[in-house]
Amino acid sequence: DAGVIQSPRHEVTEMGQEVTLRCKPISGHDYLFWYRQTMMRGLELLIYFNNNVPIDDSGMPEDRFSAKMPNASFSTLKIQPSEPRDSAVYFCASSSSGTGDSPLHFGNGTRLTVT
Amino acid sequence: AQRVTQPEKLLSVFKGAPVELKCNYSYSGSPELFWYVQYSRQRLQLLLRHISRESIKGFTADLNKGETSFHLKKPFAQEEDSAMYYCALMPGGGNKLTFGTGTQLKVEL
Repeated sequence: DAGVIQSPRHEVTEMGQEVTLRCKPISGHDYLFWYRQTMMRGLELLIYFNNNVPIDDSGMPEDRFSAKMPNASFSTLKIQPSEPRDSAVYFCASSSSGTGDSPLHFGNGTRLTVT
Repeated sequence: AQRVTQPEKLLSVFKGAPVELKCNYSYSGSPELFWYVQYSRQRLQLLLRHISRESIKGFTADLNKGETSFHLKKPFAQEEDSAMYYCALMPGGGNKLTFGTGTQLKVEL
């Protein structure tokens, strides 16, 4: 298994542009998580899904951020319009049960730079 | 609300010296605590969880409910231990894993 796959690995865009980050979880995992990593705040949970349904999106910073999971093998995180303060590394992770018994498996992350 | 605090952004020790990475948490119920590690150019991965009470790569962590702490310890640091370490909390029976801000451990020769 290739693990959680994220694309692109790096994204550089100008302020105001739309950005779409993609994630393919591990097959059979029912839970999918989106995290944002910054120096100041560390890893922040943005949103998570269970069986493709968003369960908790309280970490989504504002309306400019949206996430979807149209099927069990694909999720997107979209920022529209993007701002320089959105620059961070965005991680996707999946787990089989979502409880402490099954660890989170992380992707390699997408490093977003908004100029 | 659950919160995890890692007071040190950077911890530098010499090879062979003891290591202690501090983690404190706030949560009103019975949490599950974890340590995740990210080695250079590798993915973030689980190191250990308090329920397992096991030693992984020489690291141990004891949950101290009185002090609400879950410090990560290793008696003798190795160069390959250099990495970013994150403490994380999950409510008992819950799904939401909250991470601290991380501590960069640097083991010097």
